[in-house]
Amino acid sequence: QKEVEQNSGPLSVPEGAIASLNCTYSDRGSQSFFWYRQYSGKSPELIMFIYSNGDKEDGRFTAQLNKASQYVSLLIRDSQPSDSATYLCAVNMRSSGSARQLTFGSGTQLTVLP
Amino acid sequence: GAGVSQSPSNKVTEKGKDVELRCDPISGHTALYWYRQSLGQGLEFLIYFQGNSAPDKSGLPSDRFSAERTGGSVSTLTIQRTQQEDSAVYLCASSPGTSGGPSYNEQFFGPGTRLTVL
Repeated sequence: QKEVEQNSGPLSVPEGAIASLNCTYSDRGSQSFFWYRQYSGKSPELIMFIYSNGDKEDGRFTAQLNKASQYVSLLIRDSQPSDSATYLCAVNMRSSGSARQLTFGSGTQLTVLP
Repeated sequence: GAGVSQSPSNKVTEKGKDVELRCDPISGHTALYWYRQSLGQGLEFLIYFQGNSAPDKSGLPSDRFSAERTGGSVSTLTIQRTQQEDSAVYLCASSPGTSGGPSYNEQFFGPGTRLTVL
């Protein structure tokens, strides 16, 4: 079992729809969770981070965390073609070699169709 | 302000040669990370520096890989006797690294160095 798992996709949604990206992790003691967006040929850029159970909203993005289920998700409302990218989930796992090391999932490729 | 910078942006080398990749972190960031990303894959952690502490080298795939960070700022990743499987994008990231608040672990990435070993 991978430590951080994401559906690789591709996930296609029509413009204006809600895109839902999911991530599960293996270490129950994980403390912090990050979503990065990576355009093709570019480096990852941080979208959101979440530490507490529940929802965290930032503009069109909502991160949801459920530590009991070891599950974190990212919702993108009113999806735009410019949101088309690979979304990487990253977890600060207690079991990692150092306190600040992030373990990344392999990413979900999102395509927003005009 | 200036972000993380890396050089070179592209490097093509022959199998068996040594290469050096450079990373300049964001000014004031005490933590620096190196990752590797193969085509279509996620990020593979290589090494982590925090201030003057001993680096976490747990992700280095072999003893051909080494890294150093001089003066707590610039870092160099060295790959000796390169192999074709070393071909990947090498990404550097930095973070504030202080434990004073929840944002200490936010990592900001450089543009990467695309390494091709022929």
